Amino acid sequence: GAVVSQHPSRVICKSGTSVKIECRSLDFQATTMFWYRQFPKKSLMLMATSNEGSKATYEQGVEKDKFLINHASLTLSTLTVTSAHPEDSSFYICSASGTGGIEQYFGPGTRLTVT
Amino acid sequence: QQQVKQSPQSLIVQKGGISIINCAYENTAFDYFPWYQQFPGKGPALLIAIRPDVSEKKEGRFTISFNKSAKQFSLHIMDSQPGDSATYFCAAKGNAGNMLTFGGGTRLMVKP
Repeated sequence: GAVVSQHPSRVICKSGTSVKIECRSLDFQATTMFWYRQFPKKSLMLMATSNEGSKATYEQGVEKDKFLINHASLTLSTLTVTSAHPEDSSFYICSASGTGGIEQYFGPGTRLTVT
Repeated sequence: QQQVKQSPQSLIVQKGGISIINCAYENTAFDYFPWYQQFPGKGPALLIAIRPDVSEKKEGRFTISFNKSAKQFSLHIMDSQPGDSATYFCAAKGNAGNMLTFGGGTRLMVKP
């Protein structure tokens, strides 16, 4: 099956700093990648959708200047949380879909803790 | 507006029993309905999925039942095992783009 990896798996950063999370499709070309945020015991909340080579489309209420998304290649998308604050602490999950594919393949998630 | 409603929020089943999770949707444009299994600290993994032109799909111990007229679908886990203890999410996708709308999740615990 299609494999999606995320790095790092967990990160702790200080308030005010920026942190970058990478999402890679390992065995297929991901034309579309999605970024989700998940709070404890809650469902996945879509943050943004990105197509390779295009600007990301952000969901309502998600600050695009705070959550920078880059999808520069068919196998890599990055999410940068800028000027992180404790309220940004969460579980961030990416997923990817290939050309013409309907299924989303999810990464293992990244646990971000902002102190 | 929550477009996919999932119930129950939590479920306790004895080993060997049947686990049943239900979902209801509102948007008739949805045309793909996957179920995901998520273990703590991990990303969701696709379990089984169905299209609306089929009323039932079975893969091993997992079965999806789909009722298009009622706009409902359900996941049945036969012979539930302690290793099935996880959170299950139903989802739905429209016919434009690959964006998924998730249900609220069901925390399943299978007691040995």
